[in-house]
Amino acid sequence: GQQLNQSPQSMFIQEGEDVSMNCTSSSIFNTWLWYKQDPGEGPVLLIALYKAGELTSNGRLTAQFGITRKDSFLNISASIPSDVGIYFCAGRIIQGAQKLVFGQGTRLTINP
Amino acid sequence: KAGVTQTPRYLIKTRGQQVTLSCSPISGHRSVSWYQQTPGQGLQFLFEYFSETQRNKGNFPGRFSGRQFSNSRSEMNVSTLELGDSALYLCASSLAGPEAFFGQGTRLTVV
Repeated sequence: GQQLNQSPQSMFIQEGEDVSMNCTSSSIFNTWLWYKQDPGEGPVLLIALYKAGELTSNGRLTAQFGITRKDSFLNISASIPSDVGIYFCAGRIIQGAQKLVFGQGTRLTINP
Repeated sequence: KAGVTQTPRYLIKTRGQQVTLSCSPISGHRSVSWYQQTPGQGLQFLFEYFSETQRNKGNFPGRFSGRQFSNSRSEMNVSTLELGDSALYLCASSLAGPEAFFGQGTRLTVV
């Protein structure tokens, strides 16, 4: 089945640093979504991307839909303690179908 | 507007039993999807319901089933529980686009 390769698996950074993570796939996606999950909670949608090359920001978060439609990137600028959590990318292949394929997640830890 | 509500939050069941999980979507959302999250396999799609019909299904055995009611609320059932079914089960609702909004999940432990 489809798989998303998300990297890095974990990151340990200092508060104030910028963060970058990405997802790649052998399949073409028509939508990319980025989620954040805190312990004991469900994933929360951060950013949605709908077309190749699209660059979208949400506060300190910026995500891009790769032009090949097989990858996506998420950047977090000037990290703060509440950014700690697990970040997931998700892709949708089938137009109109609510079936998302998820990456393995990037665990972000911030040292104050 | 209330978010996606899942009940119960926690469940402990014995092998061989069955379990039913409930999900109330965001008001107005007609699509409800279910996902299983485990440390080893990550987030995996179970199935999706739209207007009381199953629209998509993931690669899970027939022990996993679901349904959706006319008010869009959904239930998921797992029969003959196995230890490997221990997981966080997440429900997500969608309005029309691809954005899926998740509930807090039901943590199922099979002993």
